Amino acid sequence: QSVLTQPPSASGTPGQRVTISCSGSSSNIGSNYVYWYQQLPGTAPKLLIYRNNQRPSGVPDRFSGSKSGTSASLAISGLRSEDEADYYCAAWDDSLSGRWVFGGGTKLTVL
Amino acid sequence: QVTLKESGPVLVKPTETLTLTCTVSGFSLSNARMGVSWIRQPPGKALEWLAHIFSNDEKSYSTSLKSRLTISKDTSKSQVVLTMTNMDPVDTATYYCARLSMVQGVDVWGKGTTVTVSS
Repeated sequence: QSVLTQPPSASGTPGQRVTISCSGSSSNIGSNYVYWYQQLPGTAPKLLIYRNNQRPSGVPDRFSGSKSGTSASLAISGLRSEDEADYYCAAWDDSLSGRWVFGGGTKLTVL
Repeated sequence: QVTLKESGPVLVKPTETLTLTCTVSGFSLSNARMGVSWIRQPPGKALEWLAHIFSNDEKSYSTSLKSRLTISKDTSKSQVVLTMTNMDPVDTATYYCARLSMVQGVDVWGKGTTVTVSS
């Protein structure tokens, strides 16, 4: 069972906007930055969003992140077939000497 | 260009000790704002953080696996080593090492190495 809670699945049609939620607690999302990763089938995860809403160079601005309290969201606008992947949120957790925690992942299907 | 590459055995037997090596390039393990994390992913399951080590040798471990894990680094070889004792079939997974940046968090990942635990 993951420390951060994500919906197991999400879907949308090309061109749509979809959001994926990530819920945590005061020791992780509530007091630290949130990160988002995209994992295409058979590949390693790739950083999409860091520090809640910052995009690394090369990540399209169709991807955006936000955080409020102990929850965060990843939004993907102008959905494309190549966005079909697993998405994970992550955060530092201040409990028990500090550790990284991940969400359980959300499988995004582009219909 | 920052790259990380995992290496280690493909198959280990139950109760054996797993030793994985992460060889990095494009950044230094002595960089004050950098570290390396190990993360694993069982087949079809979610990512699980295992441990990390920073340039000052500060280490942190997963609370559930702490008794079985040891992380260390050899800055001169640009390598980070993770050992996991008493391997069990449930430890079958793809093991990733990744750079841990103070700014961008876990930002660059290796391709991963798949480890199967079976007799």
